[in-house]
Amino acid sequence: SQQGEEDPQALSIQEGENATMNCSYKTSINNLQWYRQNSGRGLVHLILIRSNEREKHSGRLRVTLDTSKKSSSLLITASRAADTASYFCATSATGGFKTIFGAGTRLFVKA
Amino acid sequence: DAMVIQNPRYQVTQFGKPVTLSCSQTLNHNVMYWYQQKSSQAPKLLFHYYDKDFNNEADTPDNFQSRRPNTSFCFLDIRSPGLGDAAMYLCATSRVGAVGEQFFGPGTRLTVL
Repeated sequence: SQQGEEDPQALSIQEGENATMNCSYKTSINNLQWYRQNSGRGLVHLILIRSNEREKHSGRLRVTLDTSKKSSSLLITASRAADTASYFCATSATGGFKTIFGAGTRLFVKA
Repeated sequence: DAMVIQNPRYQVTQFGKPVTLSCSQTLNHNVMYWYQQKSSQAPKLLFHYYDKDFNNEADTPDNFQSRRPNTSFCFLDIRSPGLGDAAMYLCATSRVGAVGEQFFGPGTRLTVL
């Protein structure tokens, strides 16, 4: 079954607002990643957080990881219309090559 | 710029007619992956290569094959496409120690008539 579940499935906000997306997973992980996908395009790696980290920042992105709850959140601050895309969490186990993606959150930022 | 390139971007084939999708990379990464992504769904790993070592996911249909003639190129062959194989096919690469940071191509959208 799918490793990651994302919530919400879709999110619509105004430009300048913050957007928060959540991800839950089922098994032990080595790390968790977030990717962005613009419509009809490939995925772009945004940020990776290791299982021994709790929070990580990159520009306007803030990711948290709670391994006890098997969940992660991605916060995009001061959103822009250009942030409109689908956002996927993905997990990788130790020593393997398999990355399992969640179903994604579709974010729409209105100008 | 180092990148992952997929050709063609759009491919139309007929039911049962073999089709090959190609991927090339200038990143010199050891690992290359093929994913299938159906509309509004998560990308699903079909197989990966670590150098020349091929690894098939257990639930990848036999209809799907792959070739990696050298470090730079990887091909996805669909021997007898069915209507259910219509999807976006994504190629990705990573360094062997950085599976969690994959670099994706723009994808090939396959239509099966």
